[in-house]
Amino acid sequence: GAGVSQSPSNKVTEKGKDVELRCDPISGHTALYWYRQSLGQGLEFLIYFQGNSAPDKSGLPSDRFSAERTGGSVSTLTIQRTQQEDSAVYLCASSLSGGETQYFGPGTRLLVL
Amino acid sequence: KQEVTQIPAALSVPEGENLVLNCSFTDSAIYNLQWFRQDPGKGLTSLLLIQSSQREQTSGRLNASLDKSSGRSTLYIAASQPGDSATYLCAADTSYGKLTFGQGTILTVHP
Repeated sequence: GAGVSQSPSNKVTEKGKDVELRCDPISGHTALYWYRQSLGQGLEFLIYFQGNSAPDKSGLPSDRFSAERTGGSVSTLTIQRTQQEDSAVYLCASSLSGGETQYFGPGTRLLVL
Repeated sequence: KQEVTQIPAALSVPEGENLVLNCSFTDSAIYNLQWFRQDPGKGLTSLLLIQSSQREQTSGRLNASLDKSSGRSTLYIAASQPGDSATYLCAADTSYGKLTFGQGTILTVHP
């Protein structure tokens, strides 16, 4: 069966450019999460969507980061005016609902030059 | 703020050994505790989820225990195999889905 998919798998961008990362969750999963994994910080929570509720944005590191989830399915994480410290692997996960097993995608590796 | 610590940071064992990975968390008000493995360059694979009301969960050669009051969880791997080599991550769910991860234990099982 289809798991969580993310695109692109790799993204190289120049400092100051905007980037969009896409996540397709498992069909029927109402909860969707974004995490960031970097060498210095480990795995950090960024944002959490649950159904039609307002997202939990408490992990977003700055106002350059935003995310949306359209139609309760696909999600896009946008980073504006990228900085070198944004370089990391961005992981998306989904679950049937909040508090259940999370299934992760393969990640998008972002490199900001 | 929840903090999760994993010990040891790295572990190397010969094939066939039984081993224990440790995870501790500072805030005992958790919904569940999840264990994952991560292979190099890949995403995370869920291994076990223990609800806060449970004491342990088992899947094949894996057994995870949870002692919420002391803020500890252990992952026991029986009869380790080279294919078990990976990074093992534990994560505490303190907000019904928002996971706080430990730094991981890098496990190497050599033939």
